[in-house]
Amino acid sequence: DAGITQSPRYKITETGRQVTLMCHQTWSHSYMFWYRQDLGHGLRLIYYSAAADITDKGEVPDGYVVSRSKTENFPLTLESATRSQTSVYFCASSDGTHKAFFGQGTRLTVV
Amino acid sequence: KQEVTQIPAALSVPEGENLVLNCSFTDSAIYNLQWFRQDPGKGLTSLLLIQSSQREQTSGRLNASLDKSSGRSTLYIAASQPGDSATYLCAVRNQGGKLIFGQGTELSVKP
Repeated sequence: DAGITQSPRYKITETGRQVTLMCHQTWSHSYMFWYRQDLGHGLRLIYYSAAADITDKGEVPDGYVVSRSKTENFPLTLESATRSQTSVYFCASSDGTHKAFFGQGTRLTVV
Repeated sequence: KQEVTQIPAALSVPEGENLVLNCSFTDSAIYNLQWFRQDPGKGLTSLLLIQSSQREQTSGRLNASLDKSSGRSTLYIAASQPGDSATYLCAVRNQGGKLIFGQGTELSVKP
């Protein structure tokens, strides 16, 4: 089905472990984004990408790594998870500067 | 640095009332502004997108306006219904490609 999908939907991991959140879109949109959503902070931009092999930092990039070797995929890696990274993570895509579409989110708990 | 503010943070109205949600941004050099709706525990649904050259957009009972020079947008909801209860978020698309969100307005429409 066309759209933007995130996996997994729920993840529990231990402090210090590496974890990767996946994002896949079927529209061939040029732009992709990663956000985290926390109570009291709204959605904060972690990283974004304007095209394959082009990524840039957002508002809160520390502790996260991204890559974009293919247009349709934009994985987000927490290299050494911390409890402060417990959050709901949203991926989004847009065709240039047109409307952005969001995935259903990944709820990550770091224990 | 672009900052987006939404006032009020929460709003409770009786069914049938017309209401206005506000969004302001500090940097007027934007491509567009988008309004989203988020239901509890769910992803974001796009409501309206206003390009920087436009003044307003309408969809059903929703009307969004944009005054780029003053850094303001409003979302007008006519004849509110309990099903409109959700969090409404605005986001601005900077000329660098970033999509920056406000913290949202939590709307409750009472039957």
